[in-house]
This record gives sequence, structure tokens and C-alpha cells, in this order.
Amino acid sequence: DAAVTQKPRYLIKMKGQEAEMKCIPEKGHTAVFWYQQKQSKELKFLIYFQNQQPLDQIDMVKERFSAVCPSSSLCSLGIRTCEAEDSALYLCSSSPSGQGANSDYTFGSGTRLLVI
Amino acid sequence: LAKTTQPPSMEAYEGQEVNVSCSHTNIATSEYIYWYRQVPHQGPQFIIQGYKDYVVNEVASLFISADRKLSTLSLPWVSLRDAAVYYCIVTDIFYAQGLTFGLGTRVSVFP
Repeated sequence: DAAVTQKPRYLIKMKGQEAEMKCIPEKGHTAVFWYQQKQSKELKFLIYFQNQQPLDQIDMVKERFSAVCPSSSLCSLGIRTCEAEDSALYLCSSSPSGQGANSDYTFGSGTRLLVI
Repeated sequence: LAKTTQPPSMEAYEGQEVNVSCSHTNIATSEYIYWYRQVPHQGPQFIIQGYKDYVVNEVASLFISADRKLSTLSLPWVSLRDAAVYYCIVTDIFYAQGLTFGLGTRVSVFP
């Protein structure tokens, strides 16, 4: 089992609905990353938190997503208004510090979102 | 960030050794090489990392060319469980950022 826990595993939403998925980082890890992976496509970086503060994110996240880490043991990624193109596997990853030669990025099993 | 180039797919039989190559011709001195693999419906799993020369762990070995422009992941005695997409990633060790994944190499293993 992954040391990073993601919930729920599956999420089905109608177009226009709000979606929320949660991530529990590996204990002691201070860096949290979210990625989006569409079917048979590469992982796409979305946003990076360090010590619960967002330090880097792509424009799509700023415009349509909401992401927070209210504590060191819980982060969430939300989509304000789901669109069909948001259907994907959303992966959360954590690492001890986010940088450095020994940074080990641990991934969760993901939340698979289907927007219909 | 250095781009990486990997073969799209490889095939092997159980018990064979599989060598997956990765080209990173523009790798910077501050960048390390990471290898991950991903099976369906799961997140990527760390395999090995290296900077230069040769690295080995209980799962795989990693050879990095002297100019660091090419690396080869070696999986000894593959089993059906090793069937996955293998990703070669280079990332700056001084600048915290998300990992940049390519399409990886799909390794198929046959009994």
C-alpha cells in the first residue's frame, strides 16, 4: 500500500458540479505535489505545496481549481466546475523536502475522476 | 529542464534481463536522474536514482554514461509483475519543483 493515501479512489461528477479529492501525505513529508494523468497520457504537474504553502502552480489550477493544505497531514484538490476534459487520474505525491539529491517522491494510488 | 527520450515500448520473456535506455542530452550539472514505474490504476513508484557512474539497489541497477547524456535502467530476471510503464526523469536538485514525466517506455513481459 502507498504511504500516500488518496480518497476517494473513484469520483463521478456531472458537468458543472464541484469535485473534491483529498490526499494524506507520507508522515514527515513537507512537500506535496498534485498531478493530472489523462488516459494513456503523461502525468501533468498541477501544483506544489511546501510546508502547506502553494509555491508553484500552472495557470489551469489558478483559473479553475482550488487546492489547499490546511494541515501537514491533509491536502485537498478541488475543481470548481467540472468539465468533461477534467476526466483523469489525479495523483498526489509527497517528498521529505521537495528538493535535494535524496528527495524521494512517493505517490498515492490516485483519484480517478469521471465527468459525465 | 532537460528533456528525456526513451523507446516507446519493449518486450521480454520472464527471466530475461531488460535494459531501458534514456537519452538526456541537455542534462545540467545540477540535475539528477530518477527512474519510476507505473502499473495500471496506480501512481508511479520510485525505482532508483543516480547522478553519475553506476548505482544498484535491490530492484534494479542504473548505468550513467561518463558525459551523463545517456542512462540505462537494468532490470534483472523480469517477472510478469515488472510489466509497467517506466519513466526516466531528470530534475534539478536545487530547485524544488514537480517532476516532468514523458510518455515513458511500456515494458511488456510474457510468460
